[in-house]
Amino acid sequence: QVQLVESGGGVVQPGRSLRLSCEASGFTFSSHAMYWVRQAPGKGLEWVALISSDGNNKYYADSVKGRFTISRDNSKNTMYLQMNSLRAEDTTVYYCARAAAASDYSPFDHWGQGTLVTVSS
Amino acid sequence: DIVMTQSPDSLAVSLGERATINCKSSQSVLYSSNSKNYLAWYQQKPGQPPKLLIYWASTRESGVPDRFSGSGSGTDFTLTISSLQAEDVAVYYCQQYYSIPFTFGPGTKVHIK
Repeated sequence: QVQLVESGGGVVQPGRSLRLSCEASGFTFSSHAMYWVRQAPGKGLEWVALISSDGNNKYYADSVKGRFTISRDNSKNTMYLQMNSLRAEDTTVYYCARAAAASDYSPFDHWGQGTLVTVSS
Repeated sequence: DIVMTQSPDSLAVSLGERATINCKSSQSVLYSSNSKNYLAWYQQKPGQPPKLLIYWASTRESGVPDRFSGSGSGTDFTLTISSLQAEDVAVYYCQQYYSIPFTFGPGTKVHIK
């Protein structure tokens, strides 16, 4: 079955960096666009970034543009989110999610359990 | 950016009764070339990630009970739970995937009356 497992979260000081990983299994990873979505404790959902199935197209929310970089390694069935210049407002749970189809413009049909990032001095 | 709004913020419904959640987008999410509405509904229970319920505004995801249905087109959409069960207590979000940035509604919390 489809599984998405995030890792790499933790506590980090403002201005520092962190890299999240999302390891996928149970499906042909290279056939699906992938997303990062975040959710502050007790708050709603915010789409963060998208990467196309082949990794050539990448899009970001304005709130992270220029600071975060999404990437993927299809040979390792893994997606990444490099987060630089972290701010207190980046403190949230980060979910990776799979696009239901190869198209970038697809619903998010499978989600990981999330990894918590806390930005605090 | 497309702004998604939902109403009500919170909804108390008796077991077995109907629950209706509304979602409105600030611009149409209907793609004319394929006549599809790029609108999804998700359910999120406490401590869990969201779960896809409905996509293309009215297509039920595999395994989702048929008491869940979606309707609407253009800018106005509805999620209906025809007969509320105890396990349906959750927050429900609508989301547009028509244009980037993809955006979610603020959520509607459904609980038992």
